Order: sequence, then structure tokens, then C-alpha cells
Amino acid sequence: DTGVSQDPRHKITKRGQNVTFRCDPISEHNRLYWYRQTLGQGPEFLTYFQNEAQLEKSRLLSDRFSAERPKGSFSTLEIQRTEQGDSAMYLCASSLTGPIQETQYFGPGTRLLVL
Amino acid sequence: ELKVEQNPLFLSMQEGKNYTIYCNYSTTSDRLYWYRQDPGKSLESLFVLLSNGAVKQEGRLMASLDTKARLSTLHITAAVHDLSATYFCAGGLNAGGTSYGKLTFGQGTILTVHP
Repeated sequence: DTGVSQDPRHKITKRGQNVTFRCDPISEHNRLYWYRQTLGQGPEFLTYFQNEAQLEKSRLLSDRFSAERPKGSFSTLEIQRTEQGDSAMYLCASSLTGPIQETQYFGPGTRLLVL
Repeated sequence: ELKVEQNPLFLSMQEGKNYTIYCNYSTTSDRLYWYRQDPGKSLESLFVLLSNGAVKQEGRLMASLDTKARLSTLHITAAVHDLSATYFCAGGLNAGGTSYGKLTFGQGTILTVHP
């Protein structure tokens, strides 16, 4: 399967702990996105990369959140000092860049529960 | 900032009936996407609409875009149980020929099709 993959699929942690999620995009896609989805809501944009460069960050992304894409391939999203409000599904998506359509293809998500 | 609103938020349909989901957005959006999400799963891309008057169809689903009215619709024809899912529309903004990348999602419409 050559779709977007995410690891882990589920994570339970205690408040105050740090967690890190990984996303592997579709191999030829140069853009990678992170979104957060809470129950009953649509995904909310967090940040995105074009190759290695982080081009935009949402104000939702507090200083406890950091994302990297060091070699322009996989990306990690780290949450430091987790809070109960961080409990959500974290979705990664990837796309090509072009003048026509740039459909974002989503991975299966990482479901985070902070106790 | 782009805002996207969908209605209805909940839709209960009988098999064989037709219905339409509406997606209104607040400012000019250069591209409009429709996604489907099954419970506990990630998002599946359905349609990308890039210009005023664009219409796309796949099976029992048809999506259209009216940029002047800032409205997109997803029309369901002769619904079947397999269409039960949550449907999201999302808008994106263009900047000089390349997308900003960020998508802004609506709240989602939970569609349930009954026999």
C-alpha cells in the first residue's frame, strides 16, 4: 500500500508527558500537512511543509507543539507537557504541488488520549 | 479568514430518496473539496472543484460549485445504505498560482441511510 501512513495509531499518555507521532507521506508528494480533529468536528489545520520547509503554522499550534520534516520525507509531530485538551485525532495528509488540483490524501490518524 | 459552514449537520434518509448537502463559505475560496469519513476512519477524497460552475459526478454523488454565491452542494441520488458516513466540505485559498496548502473544513454532515 502506498498511501499515507501514521504511527502509532493509538496513544494513551498521562498529563505532562511528551508524545511524538510520525507520518510517512505518499512517496512522491512534496507537501505534508498536520491536522487535528476532535469528536464531532471537522479537521483543524495545524501546520504544513513543502519539502523540508515549514511554510505555515496555525495559532492553534502552541509552543508545546513542534513539527519537523528534516529530510523532506517523513514528518514528526511532538507535543510536550501534554494536557487533557490535547486529546484528539491527529491526521497527516500529503499532496503534490501544482497549478491544477492538489488533493490532500489523508492517513489513518493517530488517536491521542491524555489522562 | 475563510469560514466554512455546512447544513444540515445531521441527515437521516431513506434508501432511494434524493437529498442535498449545502456548503457555504465566507470569502473567496479558489478550490472546494468534498471528503467522506467513515466512523473511526480517515478522510477519503471525493471531489475537487476548481472553478465557478464546476460539476463533478461519481456514482450517486454529484458536487457543484457556485463561486458567486459562495456555495457548493453535494447531491445524493437514490441513496443506498453504503453512503452512510460523515461528509465534509473544505475550502482552500490560492496565492499566485500555488495553493496556500491549508484547508478549512466545515463541521461535517452525518448522513444515515435507512432501509
